[in-house]
Amino acid sequence: EAQVTQNPRYLITVTGKKLTVTCSQNMNHEYMSWYRQDPGLGLRQIYYSMNVEVTDKGDVPEGYKVSRKEKRNFPLILESPSPNQTSLYFCASSPNRGLLGYTFGSGTRLTVV
Amino acid sequence: DAKTTQPTSMDCAEGRAANLPCNHSTISGNEYVYWYRQIHSQGPQYIIHGLKNNETNEMASLIITEDRKSSTLILPHATLRDTAVYYCIVMGSSNTGKLIFGQGTTLQVKP
Repeated sequence: EAQVTQNPRYLITVTGKKLTVTCSQNMNHEYMSWYRQDPGLGLRQIYYSMNVEVTDKGDVPEGYKVSRKEKRNFPLILESPSPNQTSLYFCASSPNRGLLGYTFGSGTRLTVV
Repeated sequence: DAKTTQPTSMDCAEGRAANLPCNHSTISGNEYVYWYRQIHSQGPQYIIHGLKNNETNEMASLIITEDRKSSTLILPHATLRDTAVYYCIVMGSSNTGKLIFGQGTTLQVKP
């Protein structure tokens, strides 16, 4: 089944403890992206990648890092999480910058205390 | 990218057609209209997209006005499982691929 898989689905962590949210897609898509969703602010893009080793900032990149060493994987790294990064995170992939639509993962609900 | 305007909420009776409007009066010639939906807190789901012709797939139909300033998503026979937030998004082919989500329309399908 074609899908985007995020792990973990739920995570509670403490301020400052580095964490990684993994994202993997099995559709050989070139384009991948991370969004966060917050009440009243909607979904906002954090980072995106147009291909292997090509990444760029979205609208809210502060406090996040990403890497794209292989086409299928696009992990989101929080080096020193803070409470304002408590959010619902989604990874998405597309074969052509979303022109034919994106496939989204099921989400990761992160709480930083 | 053009901004879109959608009603905040709508109700629809189960089994009836749900017609969700979207205004995008500043859309430019190379921008497509996309519809996604989000059921509860699940990942958004792509529904359909179009440039200027009407489009239909197994999920829905998309009607775009001739001047392209507005569109309507039609769910022909709404079910309770269609209750969701529906997002109308305009994106150009030269875009970096970023989806700009507004507040969307919360569709409540009632028995």
